[in-house]
Amino acid sequence: DVVLTQTPVAQPVTLGDQASISCRSSQSLVHSNGNTYLEWYLQKPGQSPQLLIYKVSNRFSGVPDRFIGSGSGSDFTLKISRVEPEDLGVYYCFQATHDPYTFGAGTKLELK
Amino acid sequence: EVKLVESGGGLVQPGRSLKLSCAASGFSFNDYWMGWVRQAPGKGLEWIGEINQDSSTINYTPSLKDKFTISRDNAQNTLYLQMSKLGSEDTAIYYCARGILWDWGQGVMVTVSS
Repeated sequence: DVVLTQTPVAQPVTLGDQASISCRSSQSLVHSNGNTYLEWYLQKPGQSPQLLIYKVSNRFSGVPDRFIGSGSGSDFTLKISRVEPEDLGVYYCFQATHDPYTFGAGTKLELK
Repeated sequence: EVKLVESGGGLVQPGRSLKLSCAASGFSFNDYWMGWVRQAPGKGLEWIGEINQDSSTINYTPSLKDKFTISRDNAQNTLYLQMSKLGSEDTAIYYCARGILWDWGQGVMVTVSS
């Protein structure tokens, strides 16, 4: 199975600052069709996860442009510029290139 | 508006079975793959599996393949998860999701305990 390693485990931030989360895969996430199925989710306290980014860098409907996904192959990053209170929670990366699909362990974005 | 509502959860004894449902609305259900994800208390997310539009392809995470069965009824716009031989390790919130996890339900809690 593909292992996704997220760092850091916790990211203390000050509101208005930038935050960055890394997701590294145990193998390339480039699908045979040329797409890279790496997604990012945010789970706010007490809520269901919500999709932020799909296929590495595409923002899902309604996601603010302060969320930026980047990367390629097996190395990916989610940047959140100007962190706002509603951005706090646990971020997960997820790969849907290789069966079985797998999640990273999560990164908690919290206030300093 | 996409709406996914899970039901059928609750307290179940070890070794027993349980069937979860996910009622879908707000989109053309038979046009989409659907999936299930679970989350044990205080833990991360675990992908369970997915089913394609006409049920001809169903994929599972290997550790759950012999215990869980995913199915769907396109006429009823409903997704199902049949769970058997339940153990304490299956205690979790179970979420259904549209597509490759684009939209999620609110989740349903399953507690396995005697």
